[in-house]
Amino acid sequence: NAGVTQTPKFQVLKTGQSMTLQCAQDMNHEYMSWYRQDPGMGLRLIHYSVGAGITDQGEVPNGYNVSRSTTEDFPLRLLSAAPSQTSVYFCASSQRDRGSYSEQFFGPGTRLTVL
Amino acid sequence: RKEVEQDPGPFNVPEGATVAFNCTYSNSASQSFFWYRQDCRKEPKLLMSVYSSGNEDGRFTAQLNRASQYISLLIRDSKLSDSATYLCVVNDRRGATNKLIFGTGTLLAVQP
Repeated sequence: NAGVTQTPKFQVLKTGQSMTLQCAQDMNHEYMSWYRQDPGMGLRLIHYSVGAGITDQGEVPNGYNVSRSTTEDFPLRLLSAAPSQTSVYFCASSQRDRGSYSEQFFGPGTRLTVL
Repeated sequence: RKEVEQDPGPFNVPEGATVAFNCTYSNSASQSFFWYRQDCRKEPKLLMSVYSSGNEDGRFTAQLNRASQYISLLIRDSKLSDSATYLCVVNDRRGATNKLIFGTGTLLAVQP
């Protein structure tokens, strides 16, 4: 049982490049989400998914795409990287419990730098 | 108004002190509440859920005040190892929306 895994751990991109951050969980959780964390800003929700085939925008979705073709995987795609996307990205998953959400399990994070 | 608000601190306290953090939330329909702990450059991890009746786990006590829309975390007998950022999390439910919202965190530094 690996929990939530994220790859890569570190990435440096040039402005304009695209890339996909991978996230997978093996706990059969319905809810998955992507956050970015910047100094003094806390965790901000980018996109989330309440199940396979269902995604929705969070607080800061611009410049990012997501898809959820399986319960296990929830990749985050940066369409055209910008320096403002330099951040630490966390993926998380949780189970639903009577319509609300239980403990969120986080991946170790991806530290992204855009030059 | 932010959906979830916390005092960023830092709270600098001596070992053995008692320290309390509050967190306010804007959506009165919120149903689930949590405190997470995050160590520097690490992922957040669940510290404890917050129940309507309040709950205690060792030196940690969490309480919910629905009337005033805030949750609190009390840490007794602070240890050096308690130094971390404490994140308040609220399950925000509005219509078809159902998502978890994080506060910006409160930094605790326990001094020897």
